[in-house]
Amino acid sequence: EVQLVQSGAEVKKPGESLKISCKGSGYSFTNYWIGWVRQMPGKGLEWMGIIYPDDSNTRYSPSFQGQVTISADKSISTAYLQWSSLKASDTAMYYCARPGEPYTAISASDIWGQGTIVTVSS
Amino acid sequence: DIQMTQSPSTLSASVGDRVTITCRASQSISIWLAWYQQKPGKAPNLLIYKASSLEGGVPSRFSGSGSGTEFTLTISSLQPDDFATYYCQQYTSYRTFGQGTKVEV
Repeated sequence: EVQLVQSGAEVKKPGESLKISCKGSGYSFTNYWIGWVRQMPGKGLEWMGIIYPDDSNTRYSPSFQGQVTISADKSISTAYLQWSSLKASDTAMYYCARPGEPYTAISASDIWGQGTIVTVSS
Repeated sequence: DIQMTQSPSTLSASVGDRVTITCRASQSISIWLAWYQQKPGKAPNLLIYKASSLEGGVPSRFSGSGSGTEFTLTISSLQPDDFATYYCQQYTSYRTFGQGTKVEV
């Protein structure tokens, strides 16, 4: 079964760092881009960026460029989303998602992780 | 940056109604448009890709149309399980979501 399994809920303080993960299984991890999506409480979906695990080619939404870092470790089929200094406004649910076609970023996301909820509060 | 404008933001409907949601892109995106359904506390679920292709397992009452900058999602006969929030997304090399349409009773 093709699936993306994300790491568990996090509670952090402002200024702390954080790295959440998304592990792919059931498919060739290196051949598919993986993206990250933010959903703030009660709000809509925001696309953050996407990475191609085979060569770590990464594209960021202008809104998130410089705010987060997307990376991947193809040896363990895992993508990451990280912050160096969290803010309260980073409180949100974060989803990873995989496009349906290999090798291309121009493909709709048919596989989604279950989401990781991040709470940032002093 | 391609902007996606989705309307309406909220739609009140009844079981059996025909429902139409519109999405407009700020520039041409050809057919690179998807529609997702999201229920509270759940990840989005892909319904339509390439503007009009039905994802496997999605009921045929869902359909999509359009190309270029104007797109439509239609639910031909609304079912109880369809009350949810719907998002369009353009997926050229970058991606943008519409603001969402909540379909409620």
